Amino acid sequence: DQQVKQNSPSLSVQEGRISILNCDYTNSMFDYFLWYKKYPAEGPTFLISISSIKDKNEDGRFTVFLNKSAKHLSLHIVPSQPGDSAVYFCAASGTSGTYKYIFGTGTRLKVLA
Amino acid sequence: GAGVSQTPSNKVTEKGKYVELRCDPISGHTALYWYRQSLGQGPEFLIYFQGTGAADDSGLPNDRFFAVRPEGSVSTLKIQRTERGDSAVYLCASSPPRGEQFFGPGTRLTVL
Repeated sequence: DQQVKQNSPSLSVQEGRISILNCDYTNSMFDYFLWYKKYPAEGPTFLISISSIKDKNEDGRFTVFLNKSAKHLSLHIVPSQPGDSAVYFCAASGTSGTYKYIFGTGTRLKVLA
Repeated sequence: GAGVSQTPSNKVTEKGKYVELRCDPISGHTALYWYRQSLGQGPEFLIYFQGTGAADDSGLPNDRFFAVRPEGSVSTLKIQRTERGDSAVYLCASSPPRGEQFFGPGTRLTVL
């Protein structure tokens, strides 16, 4: 049973516009959420995180929103750049300690120049 | 500074053979993790080391899989009697205490 779900396998966005990547989770005991970005032939790279005590965290062009009642989080990238083209993974932890990340299946973002 | 490194980058083996995958974590990171990523999936947790000991090996799929970290730095993931279903990218990550995990580039294992 997939505890972390990314229902959109791919997304295309025009350069300069906003990219919104979505993630849903089923386990209400998760209390820490992360987004990782992955380029081909490289390992995932940490992007941004959010604790369940917050509903928003911002870092430059990247903002993560958390809606605990809906068990939903989203990553906003604005403005989107061609270099943002990658696979984005949502991850959650909390029930078994912060070390055990549960990942979604990823969303492939393509930013068109 | 140097990131997490993994060797080999690619490994092709035959069904039934034994393989070892190596991970060099970031210097000073006490925690080390192994994940497995199959095609079209996200990374799946295998095992977590805090120092030399395996604090949680609940993600290892069966007893053909074993991992060690004898000196609290380099770790080796060992797979015995490999099966075609073991084909995947094996990712290693390390972290400081209470920090996010930094991933290596992975080892792509192909079992023929």
